[in-house]
Amino acid sequence: EVQLVESGGGLVQPGGSLRLSCVASGFTFSDHYMDWVRQAPGKGLEWVGRSRNKAKSYTTEYAASVKGRFTISRDDSKNSLYLQMSSLKIEDTAVYYCARLEDNSGQWDLQHWGQGTLVTVSS
Amino acid sequence: QAGLTQPPSVSKGLRQTATLTCTGNSNNVGNQGAAWLQQHQGHPPKLLSYRNNNRPSGISERFSASRSGNTASLTITGLQPEDEADYYCSSWDSSLSAVVFGGGTKLTVL
Repeated sequence: EVQLVESGGGLVQPGGSLRLSCVASGFTFSDHYMDWVRQAPGKGLEWVGRSRNKAKSYTTEYAASVKGRFTISRDDSKNSLYLQMSSLKIEDTAVYYCARLEDNSGQWDLQHWGQGTLVTVSS
Repeated sequence: QAGLTQPPSVSKGLRQTATLTCTGNSNNVGNQGAAWLQQHQGHPPKLLSYRNNNRPSGISERFSASRSGNTASLTITGLQPEDEADYYCSSWDSSLSAVVFGGGTKLTVL
């Protein structure tokens, strides 16, 4: 069974930093693309970024809203995905989800989701 | 970052059929297709349909997806109380190299 468990959320001041972790189990982590998606309170889903798999050299992509401030990394030996967030803004307040993508006929779609971790940026 | 367009809300009666729409452009829905996700309050999203309109294992046949041009649709037949949720479409935007989401449609089952 695929399991994704996020941690590291909490309260941080504007301009501060935070590192989120996502520990995966139940599948071969290195085979899969992994995304971070966030959801502000009462709002819709917003894509944060992607870490492609080993076969794609772990390349990353980022949403324009976080590019230059957030960094996605992974440690396949620990089955873990990370999101390093810096220069945090109030509008970064959200539940952050880790998601595993499934390769369906060459297209990667967001199939498995963790329960999320809440990040609150406030003074 | 440009997103996909979904109606904010749809209301249908029990056992009726609801069709939700998602409009993008040729950089996303038109050439990449759209996936559909369901989210109940307080829970993470759940994938209902891949971008090629196939359903993941375990998803009811009552949910079916299709696409015409730059507009994707999710049809839910025989509406049940548990279908009341928020529904999101998503796609890959090849010009942005980014995932784009719709704003979500809140489905109410009367």
